[in-house]
Amino acid sequence: KQEVTQIPAALSVPEGENLVLNCSFTDSAIYNLQWFRQDPGKGLTSLLLIQSSQREQTSGRLNASLDKSSGRSTLYIAASQPGDSATYLCAAYFSGTYKYIFGTGTRLKVLA
Amino acid sequence: DAGVIQSPRHEVTEMGQEVTLRCKPISGHNSLFWYRQTMMRGLELLIYFNNNVPIDDSGMPEDRFSAKMPNASFSTLKIQPSEPRDSAVYFCASGLEDWTRDRLVAEAFFGQGTRLTVV
Repeated sequence: KQEVTQIPAALSVPEGENLVLNCSFTDSAIYNLQWFRQDPGKGLTSLLLIQSSQREQTSGRLNASLDKSSGRSTLYIAASQPGDSATYLCAAYFSGTYKYIFGTGTRLKVLA
Repeated sequence: DAGVIQSPRHEVTEMGQEVTLRCKPISGHNSLFWYRQTMMRGLELLIYFNNNVPIDDSGMPEDRFSAKMPNASFSTLKIQPSEPRDSAVYFCASGLEDWTRDRLVAEAFFGQGTRLTVV
């Protein structure tokens, strides 16, 4: 069964810290992995998309890496800010099934 | 483009009533997904369309749920009859599947969701 897992479920850090969010998937046959941000009561905003042929993608203070062989992706947030507080979700687009399967998310709180 | 547009944003209905949720995908996208989000189960894929054709509806919970995509710019998700356990936020997402050199590139864009409450 194709599953996506995220740990930790929740994270609270002081402002300025660098942090890593983890995402693991059970099937290495993926086309893409996408990271999203969700603010309370809002929709999902796409942050980064990593294609299966890529190892990482960067956007500003965000860096996402992908290791298909180990079934893992990480989202690195540098110099965290209170405005980064949100739930972060990863989704793997599995080959064969052609659909995004989501992890349960990591709820991040950055303290001022 | 205005992004994926869903309506209504909020819906409160009585048990047994029919509910219709609407979605307008981003122009030019060829894939459309309906998801349901609850605290208990997270984001669950209900159904996936490609080029207006339902490809995978294995996530549709019961026969009470149905989805249509009559054209590339519109999709509906209908619940009839609705039950309190259907209360959730329903998201529509669209994407462009691009088979570039045999490697699929598909980035999903989400609407703001419809918060459904069945009382």
